Amino acid sequence: GAGVSQSPSNKVTEKGKDVELRCDPISGHTALYWYRQRLGQGLEFLIYFQGNSAPDKSGLPSDRFSAERTGESVSTLTIQRTQQEDSAVYLCASSLGGGFNEKLFFGSGTQLSVL
Amino acid sequence: QKEVEQNSGPLSVPEGAIASLNCTYSDRGSQSFFWYRQYSGKSPELIMSIYSNGDKEDGRFTAQLNKASQYVSLLIRDSQPSDSATYLCAAPSGGSYIPTFGRGTSLIVHP
Repeated sequence: GAGVSQSPSNKVTEKGKDVELRCDPISGHTALYWYRQRLGQGLEFLIYFQGNSAPDKSGLPSDRFSAERTGESVSTLTIQRTQQEDSAVYLCASSLGGGFNEKLFFGSGTQLSVL
Repeated sequence: QKEVEQNSGPLSVPEGAIASLNCTYSDRGSQSFFWYRQYSGKSPELIMSIYSNGDKEDGRFTAQLNKASQYVSLLIRDSQPSDSATYLCAAPSGGSYIPTFGRGTSLIVHP
């Protein structure tokens, strides 16, 4: 596609429910990143996928968070048993490759609100 | 822990002035540095990248890198109200390709 696509754009859920967020990267981009941005804060790294390599999960805050990616295509971020502190904008980005000089292209994000 | 530090601001400058945004990083192994602009309620978009010591100019924007001092800056000349946004500095750590982002500096350009 023309850009990184994320869905849903907004998600309101009740505490304890599971949510699934979707990211469709730019076609041909091999690297995909998930970040979280709490209100007024910077970007917090969650997970990184590069081609067929094992994902870097070092940023996932707890075992309630998991993510998958199908090949070099769509990725889903799943949050189980959501908590109020999970409320944030979840941003997905992709880059052409996974090198140190790669430029990230961001999607419009999913605003998650946990009541 | 590898860190990228920015003053959160807000930095307020009059229209037409030069805005100077600063960033320091802790990992001497970092090789590339990026400035992203984020308008309120929007996603970050890349505006500049720099890899070598010195200055890099692109239109009204100049990025400056000093690896010895572990310091990156972004200068915006002839600032416009449309430049009002949060500017995020990012750098991959030396052992990783994953950019670490600073908290961002809020810039306000007033007419």
